[in-house]
Amino acid sequence: AQSVAQPEDQVNVAEGNPLTVKCTYSVSGNPYLFWYVQYPNRGLQFLLKYITGDNLVKGSYGFEAEFNKSQTSFHLKKPSALVSDSALYFCAVSWARITDKLIFGTGTRLQVFP
Amino acid sequence: DADVTQTPRNRITKTGKRIMLECSQTKGHDRMYWYRQDPGLGLRLIYYSFDVKDINKGEISDGYSVSRQAQAKFSLSLESAIPNQTALYFCATSDLGANNEQFFGPGTRLTVL
Repeated sequence: AQSVAQPEDQVNVAEGNPLTVKCTYSVSGNPYLFWYVQYPNRGLQFLLKYITGDNLVKGSYGFEAEFNKSQTSFHLKKPSALVSDSALYFCAVSWARITDKLIFGTGTRLQVFP
Repeated sequence: DADVTQTPRNRITKTGKRIMLECSQTKGHDRMYWYRQDPGLGLRLIYYSFDVKDINKGEISDGYSVSRQAQAKFSLSLESAIPNQTALYFCATSDLGANNEQFFGPGTRLTVL
């Protein structure tokens, strides 16, 4: 079955330090991978996606993610965290089938401390 | 104006009541979705529609129904609300193709007493 795992419920990092939010997936065929962010009392906002090509994808607000096919991972990274990055982050996967549906992970809460 | 709007933003209701949540979009997308978000469970798909004449069940459609009134409008109904339907509900839209991101509304917080 197709699935997405975010193994950490919460990630804590000091402002200015690099951050990583982990995501692994399981799909048959070639995956399309997405990261979304949810700020308090807001809907989800698209950050970045991997479709094909370069394994390192750059997105909004200085975030980037690396697609690793052998490890079936798509970890979200940022070189220097900001307090304003504190939010709930969701990884999601779809694949080139008829349904075009997104499967979401359970989310990781990122807390950046000053 | 927001591209995807949801009404109401908050609703408190009682068990057994019928509730309708509405979603409108100005992005011109054919595809629309309804999700519910529960703490620790992420987002789960309730129903989705790929065009006005196409409605499909998601992974948790029991107890819900939908109506696609127009390309821009997709409503979710709870025919007889129950407390475990208390959740945050999101509408989303996307363009054709699995490689396209979805655009989310601000959400409706529903509480069923």
